[in-house]
Amino acid sequence: ILNVEQSPQSLHVQEGDSTNFTCSFPSSNFYALHWYRWETAKSPEALFVMTLNGDEKKKGRISATLNTKEGYSYLYIKGSQPEDSATYLCARHSGSARQLTFGSGTQLTVLP
Amino acid sequence: EAEVAQSPRYKITEKSQAVAFWCDPISGHATLYWYRQILGQGPELLVQFQDESVVDDSQLPKDRFSAERLKGVDSTLKIQPAELGDSAMYLCASSLEFRTGGLTFGAGSRLTVL
Repeated sequence: ILNVEQSPQSLHVQEGDSTNFTCSFPSSNFYALHWYRWETAKSPEALFVMTLNGDEKKKGRISATLNTKEGYSYLYIKGSQPEDSATYLCARHSGSARQLTFGSGTQLTVLP
Repeated sequence: EAEVAQSPRYKITEKSQAVAFWCDPISGHATLYWYRQILGQGPELLVQFQDESVVDDSQLPKDRFSAERLKGVDSTLKIQPAELGDSAMYLCASSLEFRTGGLTFGAGSRLTVL
């Protein structure tokens, strides 16, 4: 994998469903993986910054895992609510580059 | 809660005109970023400042784009002349240090070039 890739591109779920998305990234020269939530008409909001292989972070109903050796991260939302509707972006920070490279995002719509 | 301020929120201009965006980062944040996000794509870094110095502008189209952060606080991104392909969301973000913690983003400036 050369770039940061996210799947699926978009997702519709019913309120109460649990869901997950994938972020795939180059595993070489890895430093950190960021997750952001971007609601319409608002600023992107940082959810997690993860650096260690096997790391798992949790914020309320949202959690994320990280596998740096195979180059992927999962974001899980338990019991989705309409207010979880947003675009979820992941971004990779390499050890040498100063910049974050973003994926194109997963657009989540939670239907009431 | 401290915020990154950006203006204008929306800008409509005709091609060949000049456009400027302003960003005021969170106080004390040394690192400032300008990203461009085209619909359906992820944000792409245009320029990154550490205090008043540019540390990465490799993706900035320097023939028409310029950015400055003269006193190491607020920043301006300028486009002259604007082209149709410049229509996008321009996001400013800041962080205490470029590799620690998450970025704090502003609400963005939506540019439409007609």
